[in-house]
Amino acid sequence: SAVISQKPSRDICQRGTSLTIQCQVDSQVTMMFWYRQQPGQSLTLIATANQGSEATYESGFVIDKFPISRPNLTFSTLTVSNMSPEDSSIYLCSVPQGYNEQFFGPGTRLTVL
Amino acid sequence: RKEVEQDPGPFNVPEGATVAFNCTYSNSASQSFFWYRQDCRKEPKLLMSVYSSGNEDGRFTAQLNRASQYISLLIRDSKLSDSATYLCVVNTGGGNKLTFGTGTQLKVEL
Repeated sequence: SAVISQKPSRDICQRGTSLTIQCQVDSQVTMMFWYRQQPGQSLTLIATANQGSEATYESGFVIDKFPISRPNLTFSTLTVSNMSPEDSSIYLCSVPQGYNEQFFGPGTRLTVL
Repeated sequence: RKEVEQDPGPFNVPEGATVAFNCTYSNSASQSFFWYRQDCRKEPKLLMSVYSSGNEDGRFTAQLNRASQYISLLIRDSKLSDSATYLCVVNTGGGNKLTFGTGTQLKVEL
């Protein structure tokens, strides 16, 4: 399996600020995915990060709120902009593995005050 | 109706018990099916893929019923270490898009 790291592992932020989360993979991958897991909920796909083109966002998520960068095949960032307490979640990146499976990073636990 | 539905539990079972989890999905065009395990405050990890013919991995057996759009996971001889949340996951749109159920919490007790 790929080795995925995320930074920061956790953060506490003030409302109105922005946080950029980094995801680093130890091998080149065509796609990287960003998920959100709100407290007590399951995972929801935010967007697919494509190298060399804009990210593809899922319904309910917009680029202005969650800008994504994908400068190369091993790295991506997700920014949570103008945060509110409702953005308190775990944010996870993942990469494809095997046949339609995905392998997840350790997650970033975000608390917005 | 949710795309992937699971009984949230919790299921509290004694060590050594057999426990079964069920999951239904709404999109009949779904192609791939998985069970993931998520420990408290950790990321989800793939437990097993689910094949049409059913598949077994040690104490774990997964089955798929496409006609009923139903997936199951059976755990035999439960261990304390099996305590976790089990997520039913479906590839609904082709490609790599996965849809997660809300998870079923299992607590195995002495």
